[in-house]
Amino acid sequence: GAGVSQSPSNKVTEKGKDVELRCDPISGHTALYWYRQSLGQGLEFLIYFQGNSAPDKSGLPSDRFSAERTGGSVSTLTIQRTQQEDSAVYLCASSPAVGRFYGYTFGSGTRLTVV
Amino acid sequence: SQELEQSPQSLIVQEGKNLTINCTSSKTLYGLYWYKQKYGEGLIFLMMLQKGGEEKSHEKITAKLDEKKQQSSLHITASQPSHAGIYLCGAEIGGSQGNLIFGKGTKLSVKP
Repeated sequence: GAGVSQSPSNKVTEKGKDVELRCDPISGHTALYWYRQSLGQGLEFLIYFQGNSAPDKSGLPSDRFSAERTGGSVSTLTIQRTQQEDSAVYLCASSPAVGRFYGYTFGSGTRLTVV
Repeated sequence: SQELEQSPQSLIVQEGKNLTINCTSSKTLYGLYWYKQKYGEGLIFLMMLQKGGEEKSHEKITAKLDEKKQQSSLHITASQPSHAGIYLCGAEIGGSQGNLIFGKGTKLSVKP
């Protein structure tokens, strides 16, 4: 696609439910990144993919968070048993490759509210 | 502690005034990126700085990188209401392995 597409744009869920957030990167971009932006905070790095593999999962806040990427394209971030502290904007970005000086293109984000 | 510190956290200026936002790293910078974010939207790429001393301009926005000080500044000349938003600096720093680390952002309001 022309840009990075994220869905849904807004999600309200009950505490304890599972949610799936989707990111469709720019066609041909091999690197894909997930960030979380909480109110008043900067962007917190969660995980990145190079192709289908995720070399660095250290940013995931807990084992309730997981992510996968299939076919080197679409990625899904799954949060199990959501908690109120999971409420945030989840941003996805893609890049032509992993490495220095490749700019990121961000999607518009998914605003997750856990009630 | 925050690896990228932005200052000020928020800024209110009168339309037409100049302003500067700073971004300071606690580690060696390998690349510095400036983004702008409006409420409910994603991050819009503004500029990328790679080398010490590098300076780039786009319309009324100029960014500089001081590699020795591990610092970048973003300067807006003759601010307009359209400049309002949150400005975020992101950087590749030592140990980030190609991932961008971001500051907390500077919220800019421009009064007409």
